[in-house]
Amino acid sequence: DADVTQTPRNRITKTGKRIMLECSQTKGHDRMYWYRQDPGLGLRLIYYSFDVKDINKGEISDGYSVSRQAQAKFSLSLESAIPNQTALYFCATSDSGRGDTQYFGPGTRLTVL
Amino acid sequence: QQQVKQSPQSLIVQKGGISIINCAYENTAFDYFPWYQQFPGKGPALLIAIRPDVSEKKEGRFTISFNKSAKQFSLHIMDSQPGDSATYFCAATNPSTGANSKLTFGKGITLSVRP
Repeated sequence: DADVTQTPRNRITKTGKRIMLECSQTKGHDRMYWYRQDPGLGLRLIYYSFDVKDINKGEISDGYSVSRQAQAKFSLSLESAIPNQTALYFCATSDSGRGDTQYFGPGTRLTVL
Repeated sequence: QQQVKQSPQSLIVQKGGISIINCAYENTAFDYFPWYQQFPGKGPALLIAIRPDVSEKKEGRFTISFNKSAKQFSLHIMDSQPGDSATYFCAATNPSTGANSKLTFGKGITLSVRP
């Protein structure tokens, strides 16, 4: 969905490197989420934010940090990447006033060597 | 602890057949049950959703059946087409408003519809 964009779309990095994944949305939604997808494990929530001043850990936040720079921007950082962080990462948004539908970005494929 | 469990893990159906994907949940406070569809190289997108006040919801060829007492819901795809080949995730959340509103996803199943 072009309303939710993620950069970069693909990234290969080395163990120990710091990397940032960025998410921007033009939907005007207040809530934003970061998920990772692994084969056989489905979608797992890393962090979520219900507004600019609200940041919450998800089920697998260890090794990750986030920053909500503005209502439209939510970044995910890996301070020191490790190989088991190789995965497909998705950003999603939702509108607190219009139900629970989440709108996903196209994903970032991250490979940590 | 996996709160939302999907079955089967993968499914192969012939064109024109019925695809059935099941989902079981544990938390009786869940009150919103969506199905998301994901095509290769794309992010998941909402397909259809149901709330516990109804037992069935139909949108075109897609139907959700909901059994509150069994804590189960299922997705039925009638007249399955090759274009339905995708990964399907069930999810659940509670409540629909408030600070705890976040989705819990199942592990997903891959559906292949053979021509």
